[in-house]
Amino acid sequence: AQTVTQSQPEMSVQEAETVTLSCTYDTSENNYYLFWYKQPPSRQMILVIRQEAYKQQNATENRFSVNFQKAAKSFSLKISDSQLGDTAMYFCAFRYTGANSKLTFGKGITLSVRP
Amino acid sequence: NAGVTQTPKFRVLKTGQSMTLLCAQDMNHEYMYWYRQDPGMGLRLIHYSVGEGTTAKGEVPDGYNVSRLKKQNFLLGLESAAPSQTSVYFCASSYSWVYNEQFFGPGTRLTVL
Repeated sequence: AQTVTQSQPEMSVQEAETVTLSCTYDTSENNYYLFWYKQPPSRQMILVIRQEAYKQQNATENRFSVNFQKAAKSFSLKISDSQLGDTAMYFCAFRYTGANSKLTFGKGITLSVRP
Repeated sequence: NAGVTQTPKFRVLKTGQSMTLLCAQDMNHEYMYWYRQDPGMGLRLIHYSVGEGTTAKGEVPDGYNVSRLKKQNFLLGLESAAPSQTSVYFCASSYSWVYNEQFFGPGTRLTVL
């Protein structure tokens, strides 16, 4: 069974600065997907970015990028030019590519962006 | 498009009472999911459905039942609520399993006294 670990429960960053959120995972599978979800105070879960394990190139979505290290089983999220609206809980998630595999979430990290 | 909607948004139950949470999606998604979110636990999958008329157990199914009579609706039932079921419940749906971007509803906060 796969596990997803987010060891930092909270982080804080100054507006306009860069912050990196850590995530590690454990799996014996070779083909899988990794995700970062954002949950703002409104509670709505929103997909931030997705990475396919077979792709060596790190995914990027505007100010959000990942550092995917497959051998180290590490998947960190970098937020550049942090904005107040980035204040939220962030969840790292994993699923392998097999049929009916489930999405496994980490426990989340609370990010606060200071004005 | 409304996306994924959940009814109700809040509910308080007494131990032993029953209730049904309704999830609806208007994106014609085949796959639907129910999660619960507890402090420090992340999201855990309760039940899921891979199509109309089908359901399957997830990680924490005990105490819950589900039904998917219509493609757009996925119901989560609690037959005899317990305080341990106090949680925030999220419904999600996705078009395909392979690419699996899940779209989430706004959540239902349930308190069982």
